Formats: sequence, C-alpha cells, structure tokens
Amino acid sequence: EIVLTQSPGTLSLSPGERATLSCRASQSVSSSYLAWYQQKPGQAPRLFIYGASYRATGIPDRFSGSGSGTDFTLTISRLEPEDFAVYYCQQYGSLPRTFGQGTKLEIK
Amino acid sequence: EVQLVESGGGLVQPGRSLRLSCAASGFIFDDYGFHWVRQPPGKGLEWVSGIGRNSGSRGYADSVKGRFTISRDNAKNSVYLQMNSLRAEDTALYYCAKEYRSGWNDAFDVWGQGTMVTVSS
Repeated sequence: EIVLTQSPGTLSLSPGERATLSCRASQSVSSSYLAWYQQKPGQAPRLFIYGASYRATGIPDRFSGSGSGTDFTLTISRLEPEDFAVYYCQQYGSLPRTFGQGTKLEIK
Repeated sequence: EVQLVESGGGLVQPGRSLRLSCAASGFIFDDYGFHWVRQPPGKGLEWVSGIGRNSGSRGYADSVKGRFTISRDNAKNSVYLQMNSLRAEDTALYYCAKEYRSGWNDAFDVWGQGTMVTVSS
C-alpha cells in the first residue's frame, strides 16, 4: 500500500499570499497518477488537480500541481478567501487507492 | 446534470449488515468506474472500494476486505456496497465517486453528497 504523507498539517496564511502544500509517497506513484481535492465543511470533496499537474474543469489557474515519483506539490499562487479549506492528495495508480491525511489551509 | 445520489445509510448494530446504493444520472454510466470513499466524523478521507466499467476490476481496502462487496448494475445505472459484519470503526459518511475518464486508473471527478452509516448498539 502506498502511504501518502501531507505537510504541513495546518497552514495559516493571509489572502494574497502564496501557499505550498506537500504530498510525499512511501513509494513511487506510477505514471504520476496523483490527484488533489479540496473539501469545505459540509461538502463533498472536489477534484482540483489530476495527473499531478492538470487542472480539472473550472479550476482557476492560480492553482498548479507539480512533482513526480514520490514528491508532489500543490501551489496556490495568490490566495483568495474561497481557497481556505482542507486539501487532500490521492494516488490512483495502484490498489488500494489511498489518500493523504489532509492539509488544512486556514486564514491567518 | 451529472449526479450521484447515495442511499441506504442508517443506524445499525455491530455485526449486522447494510447495503448502500448509488444512483447515477446525466452521463453514460457504462463508460466509467466507480468508487466508495468514507469519512468518519471530523476525520479524513479513506478509500473503501472500487469497481471498473465491466465489473472485471475490483478492489478493496484492507480494513473492509472479506466483509464488504462492491457491485454494479449497468441496466439500473447503479453501484452498490454490501457491508457485512459491521464494526463501530465503520461509522462514517460514505461517498460514491465516479472516475474522471473511461478506464480504471483515474481521479474522481463527480461525488455524491454521501450517506451516513452509524454502527452502534
């Protein structure tokens, strides 16, 4: 099983700042089958990034994903108020599919 | 409108069974794989099980293997999760999710709103 470790657990930033979220895998994620999801309280998760670096439909270009192998990053260039939420990474290249434990992005 | 609607959750005693359903609409059901993901109250996401387009590919988390069974009925545009021998640690909000593109290895682009399962005596 591929274990995904996200850091930091909580990130406190202000609107307009840059956010960098990390996701590290215990073994290589095949074909960069790595996704990022955003979840707000009381809502289902929403796909933001797939294939490590491709934005899903309707996701603004201030969100970008990068990385390969075991190290992946989600970057938000300039934080908007609606970006504060919990973000999860997920690998879908092997079974069992696994999620990271999440990074909570909170307003400073 | 592309939509997934889960049902079948509720309060159940430890050791009993429950069957969750996920009804899909707004897209060609046969073309996609589906998954169940759960989230205990106040905690993170845990992948539970997935099924490919033609049911040939299936997978389970170790925590549910041998107790849960995933299936699909393409004629009814529905996915199911049969949960047996339920435990307190199975208590969670259960989401149904659709794969983004036709295939087995893909991210989940459409999610339902979830159905709550509570296992307690």
